[in-house]
Amino acid sequence: DAGVTQSPTHLIKTRGQQVTLRCSPISGHKSVSWYQQVLGQGPQFIFQYYEKEERGRGNFPDRFSARQFPNYSSELNVNALLLGDSALYLCASSAGWGNQPQHFGDGTRLSIL
Amino acid sequence: AQSVTQLGSHVSVSEGALVLLRCNYSSSVPPYLFWYVQYPNQGLQLLLKYTSAATLVKGINGFEAEFKKSETSFHLTKPSAHMSDAAEYFCAVRRNAGGTSYGKLTFGQGTILTVHP
Repeated sequence: DAGVTQSPTHLIKTRGQQVTLRCSPISGHKSVSWYQQVLGQGPQFIFQYYEKEERGRGNFPDRFSARQFPNYSSELNVNALLLGDSALYLCASSAGWGNQPQHFGDGTRLSIL
Repeated sequence: AQSVTQLGSHVSVSEGALVLLRCNYSSSVPPYLFWYVQYPNQGLQLLLKYTSAATLVKGINGFEAEFKKSETSFHLTKPSAHMSDAAEYFCAVRRNAGGTSYGKLTFGQGTILTVHP
């Protein structure tokens, strides 16, 4: 079975631009979470969606937004990019809302010039 | 609020030696605890999880961890290191009750494990 897939794998943008990152969860998984991992640090929670509803939001500015589609795939949007947004963006899926482990994709490496 | 502290950003061992990676947590409610491994240019792979069942948890690749409530610790061990264990390891905590951001994982800063031949 396919794992969590993220696209694109790498992306280069300039300050002020907007970016959309995509995630397809493991088949049958209904929950998707997004994390930002800055170089040398642990991942930081951005959003969690379950059954197309936002179930949690981390301490990120409103420039960050996300949504989940009927097929449970998800997009993360970041507007007005800053140099500090350069990071590895990880998507994780889980079967449900409760005590299920999260399975991570390989991430999208976003570089801001 | 929950937090995780990983003691030692870098740990170096010889092949065949004991691996010990330290993790202490802070949580106002009983937590779920996890260890993940990250290889270069890859995502996170779940090694093991503690979800309030047995305090000694066995995971993949020969790793295990013991939940010690009195010490608020969840250290990761492996009796004999292998070259393929070289990677970055993250300890993470999650609330074990519902509510907003129930599924949120809070990660430590990570420990890079180097294995020498």
